[in-house]
Amino acid sequence: AQTVTQSQPEMSVQEAETVTLSCTYDTSENNYYLFWYKQPPSRQMILVIRQEAYKQQNATENRFSVNFQKAAKSFSLKISDSQLGDTAMYFCAFMIPLAYSGAGSYQLTFGKGTKLSVIP
Amino acid sequence: DAGVTQSPTHLIKTRGQQVTLRCSPKSGHDTVSWYQQALGQGPQFIFQYYEEEERQRGNFPDRFSGHQFPNYSSELNVNALLLGDSALYLCASSSMPVARVGNEQFFGPGTRLTVL
Repeated sequence: AQTVTQSQPEMSVQEAETVTLSCTYDTSENNYYLFWYKQPPSRQMILVIRQEAYKQQNATENRFSVNFQKAAKSFSLKISDSQLGDTAMYFCAFMIPLAYSGAGSYQLTFGKGTKLSVIP
Repeated sequence: DAGVTQSPTHLIKTRGQQVTLRCSPKSGHDTVSWYQQALGQGPQFIFQYYEEEERQRGNFPDRFSGHQFPNYSSELNVNALLLGDSALYLCASSSMPVARVGNEQFFGPGTRLTVL
């Protein structure tokens, strides 16, 4: 079974500063995907960034970047130039695609989340 | 383009009752997944529907059942409600195969179910 661990229940950062959220996972699979989702108080889960395990290059999306260490099974999220709108719960998630055909199926396994507060 | 929509927004039921939650996927999506998010926890996968069939199921009892309609919309049914079923129920849609770039899961705003 796959597990995702987020060891920081809560974090805070000053506006315009940089913060890193940690995530570790456990799997015996070699092909998988990792995601960071953001859930603001409005409850809508929004995809922040994704990483394919077969890619060595770390994914980046504007102010968001990841540090993917496959051997260590670590997948941290760095938020640069933090903004007040970044205040939210952040969930690390893991997915194994069971097949690449239309008959395949998959599921996301989430960590317990990190509550990030950006302080003005 | 409407995103994933869910109804109702909030629901209050009593123990032993049955409930039906509804989800309409994002336009162009054919796969619907349901998740249960207890307070202070990450979402837990319930099941996934594709081509009107349950394709994969998480560790949830048979009291949780679902359905997908020809228009790809989906329902989640929970029978014999327990206090522990109180949670935010999230629906996510995507298109097969998910492994392709861009085929991410888009989430709806959720239905908050309270069981008294």
